[in-house]
Amino acid sequence: EPEVTQTPSHQVTQMGQEVILRCVPISNHLYFYWYRQILGQKVEFLVSFYNNEISEKSEIFDDQFSVERPDGSNFTLKIRSTKLEDSAMYFCASRFQGNTEAFFGQGTRLTVV
Amino acid sequence: AQSVTQPDIHITVSEGASLELRCNYSYGATPYLFWYVQSPGQGLQLLLKYFSGDTLVQGIKGFEAEFKRSQSSFNLRKPSVHWSDAAEYFCAVGIKAAGNKLTFGGGTRVLVKP
Repeated sequence: EPEVTQTPSHQVTQMGQEVILRCVPISNHLYFYWYRQILGQKVEFLVSFYNNEISEKSEIFDDQFSVERPDGSNFTLKIRSTKLEDSAMYFCASRFQGNTEAFFGQGTRLTVV
Repeated sequence: AQSVTQPDIHITVSEGASLELRCNYSYGATPYLFWYVQSPGQGLQLLLKYFSGDTLVQGIKGFEAEFKRSQSSFNLRKPSVHWSDAAEYFCAVGIKAAGNKLTFGGGTRVLVKP
């Protein structure tokens, strides 16, 4: 069964460093999303991406964040200068055009120290 | 803006007993409604979804949910809980006009007693 794959599963980084979280969406999906879940809190929408551009972003998604689809298979989230409060589980999701449900990856746990 | 409320933060249930998890949403029209489950250290797995039609929907793992428009609710149920159902459950709302981005509730953690 096709699935969304995220790498790495866990990343530890020092404050101020740049990190790139990687996602391989399901191959025929056209809509891509990033969500995050700070420990003990609800899952929050960060950004949606369609047709090689951001279609919507939340107020969390400020200038330190960016997304990219560098090739036909990967979808990345870059955090330019990490802060302690960026520590969270980051989920990638993808959706097929015409469907309403999104499929989530297993998440990347980011720990900023 | 839409919002989702899951009133119960924790629920403890005995194995074999029934389970009901509450979810209320706030939105002007009928949104798409979802229940996801997150086992410890795992991602989000879709249990079931409601878009339209029959208000009682069946999902995986023996779960079902009922959409009640008058109460703006989408409660999740399971007649007999198994120990493997211990997890966190999230209700979510999706709005087509908003690119189907999801708004999640705060989650309900289910503990299963032997």
